[in-house]
Amino acid sequence: AQSVTQPDIHITVSEGASLELRCNYSYGATPYLFWYVQSPGQGLQLLLKYFSGDTLVQGIKGFEAEFKRSQSSFNLRKPSVHWSDAAEYFCAVGARSGGYQKVTFGTGTKLQVIP
Amino acid sequence: GAGVSQSPRYKVAKRGQDVALRCDPISGHVSLFWYQQALGQGPEFLTYFQNEAQLDKSGLPSDRFFAERPEGSVSTLKIQRTQQEDSAVYLCASSLLLAGGLNEQFFGPGTRLTVL
Repeated sequence: AQSVTQPDIHITVSEGASLELRCNYSYGATPYLFWYVQSPGQGLQLLLKYFSGDTLVQGIKGFEAEFKRSQSSFNLRKPSVHWSDAAEYFCAVGARSGGYQKVTFGTGTKLQVIP
Repeated sequence: GAGVSQSPRYKVAKRGQDVALRCDPISGHVSLFWYQQALGQGPEFLTYFQNEAQLDKSGLPSDRFFAERPEGSVSTLKIQRTQQEDSAVYLCASSLLLAGGLNEQFFGPGTRLTVL
């Protein structure tokens, strides 16, 4: 069964600073990887996804992530953080299961942005 | 069009009460998922529907949890005899069903259930 580890529960960065959120996954085959963002009281919004091809994936809101098979990682990055990026971020891995995709989420990283 | 909607947004139940949570998926989305998100945790898979067929209910934590989607659109998650450990946010997601199952799930805002 697949699993996801997000080692950082809480991260604080200054506005304008760069950001990297770590994600490690465990899955026996080629993974389908996702990053979602959740603002308070909101549902999950997809930032980006990796299915195959280029290992550097561009997403919305200026985010990108790099798939590194050798490290089983899919870290999320942003070169310059905005105050509105404060939220909780979830990494997830999807696996095909009888024709549909079963997604397993990590425990999340809460991002605080200070002025 | 409209996104996934869920109702109620908040529900407070006394222990032992039955509750019903509703999900309206995006029109035309064949696939529908329910997740449970406990405080400080990521969402955990509960069950999956393809149209009206419940193809996977492996994540339902006990036989007190029951989900249905009788006409292949709106879905209801029912919890009988609620317990305090059922307190969580229940998220619904829907998606198209594309070849190979590679598709994005769109999430609703969730229902926050508090069991007293």
